[in-house]
Amino acid sequence: GEDVEQSLFLSVREGDSSVINCTYTDSSSTYLYWYKQEPGAGLQLLTYIFSNMDMKQDQRLTVLLNKKDKHLSLRIADTQTGDSAIYFCAAGAPGGATNKLIFGTGTLLAVQP
Amino acid sequence: DVKVTQSSRYLVKRTGEKVFLECVQDMDHENMFWYRQDPGLGLRLIYFSYDVKMKEKGDIPEGYSVSREKKERFSLILESASTNQTSMYLCASSLVGGRAKTDTQYFGPGTRLTVL
Repeated sequence: GEDVEQSLFLSVREGDSSVINCTYTDSSSTYLYWYKQEPGAGLQLLTYIFSNMDMKQDQRLTVLLNKKDKHLSLRIADTQTGDSAIYFCAAGAPGGATNKLIFGTGTLLAVQP
Repeated sequence: DVKVTQSSRYLVKRTGEKVFLECVQDMDHENMFWYRQDPGLGLRLIYFSYDVKMKEKGDIPEGYSVSREKKERFSLILESASTNQTSMYLCASSLVGGRAKTDTQYFGPGTRLTVL
């Protein structure tokens, strides 16, 4: 089945760019997602990318998809202390009526002032 | 906006108690999910439901059961709570394929359960 992996921790300085990486195993995933979880809260959808796209930009967020290497990244420009959170990568599990998502372990982003 | 609510933000129970966690969504979503979240393990799927009275086991169903009597409500039941069920529990919902362009899941705020 699908497996999604992320590094556990990333530390950056305020104003720098952050890049959070993710790898997945099932190339038939149609959509790939990034969610953000602030302390003590549920997951909030940040953005998603369709598998036939290479890049998607949304304000400070840039998603890059390398389908050949099954590698997804999220770049946050001009990182702010309010971006400190856990970021989850998720891949759509193919097949079935339930549209399950397979989540990575999450990357804790710590932004130093 | 989609709204998913969970009955409690924090819950403390004793070992052996029966525990009910409730989740309600207001967007007529067919799919509902229960996850538990533990540090370093990410989100693990406990159970999901794709219709009223329909349920399927996820990756870690042992020690849990679910109930979906109405489309908007999905309950997670810990029949006899144990200390290893201390965790953050997250509920999510989504539209079924064919009604939705993507598999986007919408999450509730979570319930942090402590079993003593």
